[in-house]
Amino acid sequence: RKEVEQDPGPFNVPEGATVAFNCTYSNSASQSFFWYRQDCRKEPKLLMSVYSSGNEDGRFTAQLNRASQYISLLIRDSKLSDSATYLCVSSRGTGGFKTIFGAGTRLFVKA
Amino acid sequence: DAEITQSPRHKITETGRQVTLACHQTWNHNNMFWYRQDLGHGLRLIHYSYGVQDTNKGEVSDGYSVSRSNTEDLPLTLESAASSQTSVYFCASSEPGEETQYFGPGTRLLVL
Repeated sequence: RKEVEQDPGPFNVPEGATVAFNCTYSNSASQSFFWYRQDCRKEPKLLMSVYSSGNEDGRFTAQLNRASQYISLLIRDSKLSDSATYLCVSSRGTGGFKTIFGAGTRLFVKA
Repeated sequence: DAEITQSPRHKITETGRQVTLACHQTWNHNNMFWYRQDLGHGLRLIHYSYGVQDTNKGEVSDGYSVSRSNTEDLPLTLESAASSQTSVYFCASSEPGEETQYFGPGTRLLVL
């Protein structure tokens, strides 16, 4: 079983739709969580950190449920430019080698 | 602006050849990482370094080596390229104590 699992999708949604991705992690020692965005044939870039109390960044909302060991990302009012792969990431501490990347969920936003 | 670059961006080689992928960052970050990305697997850590002369094996280090002679560079060497090493390779860096990693643009390697 992979330490971080995501539904690969693809999710195909119309512009303006709300879409949610879930991600589960298996290592209860995981302390920090992130969502990265990766455009086609590009490098991953940090989208947002995920805090225990949940956090928002514009149209993006991230939630963490430690009891069930899952993380979610909600995108409201989807834009064409949101089309990308979203990587769920867990970290068991600073140092980088304890950072685990999920395989990603692909999102296509259609006009 | 600080950045992280990789070269070459695309490489075709033959099995058995030695290949070196370059990674150069101007962030002055101590931590540097090499990942490979394959369909269905996500990013997998190959090697990492926490500073000059420090190197460590990651999850999938067999057949790869790195060296760190200065802060800016972490070249990745494939000792004897195999077809299973066909992949996209990403270099990344981060500050000590920080979990956010900054990635280079990637190198697409095809081993024939």
